[in-house]
Amino acid sequence: NAGVMQNPRHLVRRRGQEARLRCSPMKGHSHVYWYRQLPEEGLKFMVYLQKENIIDESGMPKERFSAEFPKEGPSILRIQQVVRGDSAAYFCASSLLPVLSGANVLTFGAGSRLTVL
Amino acid sequence: GENVEQHPSTLSVQEGDSAVIKCTYSDSASNYFPWYKQELGKRPQLIIDIRSNVGEKKDQRIAVTLNKTAKHFSLHITETQPEDSAVYFCAASNQGAQKLVFGQGTRLTINP
Repeated sequence: NAGVMQNPRHLVRRRGQEARLRCSPMKGHSHVYWYRQLPEEGLKFMVYLQKENIIDESGMPKERFSAEFPKEGPSILRIQQVVRGDSAAYFCASSLLPVLSGANVLTFGAGSRLTVL
Repeated sequence: GENVEQHPSTLSVQEGDSAVIKCTYSDSASNYFPWYKQELGKRPQLIIDIRSNVGEKKDQRIAVTLNKTAKHFSLHITETQPEDSAVYFCAASNQGAQKLVFGQGTRLTINP
């Protein structure tokens, strides 16, 4: 099992460009979460998705950010018109079932580090 | 919504000594409390977790305690080693929220 795969690992964008971050969950997992980690800070929840559905987007900024998890293919976090404040590590995590417990843990990918110049 | 507070933000201990990190949570419906370890530039990795129907859980040098009444839980690392140096995050979730809310993290440094 390859685990949670994220790409690109590093992405550099200029202000105003678009950033697309991709996440393939662990095999068999259909629940995907995106978290943002600013330098020297904690993990902030952004969005929780199941296949073709956004379940909880309470942590997503209202503008410029969007996420999807299509029926086929990886989950994508899209940031339009990036600004310097978007520079962060974006972590994707997946789980087998919706309710987290000792038998159903959240497994993280290696993260995508976005730098906005 | 849930809010998780974590203390201290930094902790430095001598190799071989014990380290304790504490967290409090706000939502009494939270019932699952994992701890993640993140080494520099790496992904967060689960090291131990506890459900609300259990007061304490131990795995070799690592233990977690939970006080539901006071809404706080703690991570205990005994006989610390240099490889324990990392940032540790506590988290909480409940069946309704279906997501983990993380504390701010504790940077643990083990001094040889």
